[in-house]
Amino acid sequence: GDSVTQMEGPVTLSEEAFLTINCTYTATGYPSLFWYVQYPGEGLQLLLKATKADDKGSNKGFEATYRKETTSFHLEKGSVQVSDSAVYFCALSNTGNQFYFGTGTSLTVIP
Amino acid sequence: DAGVIQSPRHEVTEMGQEVTLRCKPISGHDYLFWYRQTMMRGLELLIYFNNNVPIDDSGMPEDRFSAKMPNASFSTLKIQPSEPRDSAVYFCASSPNFTGNYGYTFGSGTRLTVV
Repeated sequence: GDSVTQMEGPVTLSEEAFLTINCTYTATGYPSLFWYVQYPGEGLQLLLKATKADDKGSNKGFEATYRKETTSFHLEKGSVQVSDSAVYFCALSNTGNQFYFGTGTSLTVIP
Repeated sequence: DAGVIQSPRHEVTEMGQEVTLRCKPISGHDYLFWYRQTMMRGLELLIYFNNNVPIDDSGMPEDRFSAKMPNASFSTLKIQPSEPRDSAVYFCASSPNFTGNYGYTFGSGTRLTVV
């Protein structure tokens, strides 16, 4: 069945460091891919999305490219800030199916 | 739009008591989802509705859990009787479609503690 696998956390980075959070997926057909962010005490917020192969989703300095050949959708940011500290979820949506969320990766950015 | 609104934000109750969680989805969103989040299990889909009709409740853990959506602007998740293992954050989310091309919009959640 469809599923999403994302890298284990927690991840701790210094401010201005480069961030990569890996996400790979298993799905039939052509799913849509998403990254959600959850700040402490809040619900999940959509960060970015890509609906077809080679699409790049971007928002708030974060980017992720839909790579069908490697079934990946890795999240990247060139220079993280303390305010980026949160839990990040990779997710997949396939036609006729529900969302499949990854287990979440906790990011802490230290000054 | 005010987004998805959940109440209460926090709930502390004693084991055996009935608990009711509430959700108001975004107007015009035809799909409503109830999720539970715990450290051990992550995010779990409990049930979802389409046009107020329950479509898939296979994620509801047991008969103690029930959910209703009497109209397009209101849904409840009830636990009766509650148990300590029900302690979790419960999220409601809504979406204009099922495939999720627009993504799901989540509420801020209800943190339930059963003592």
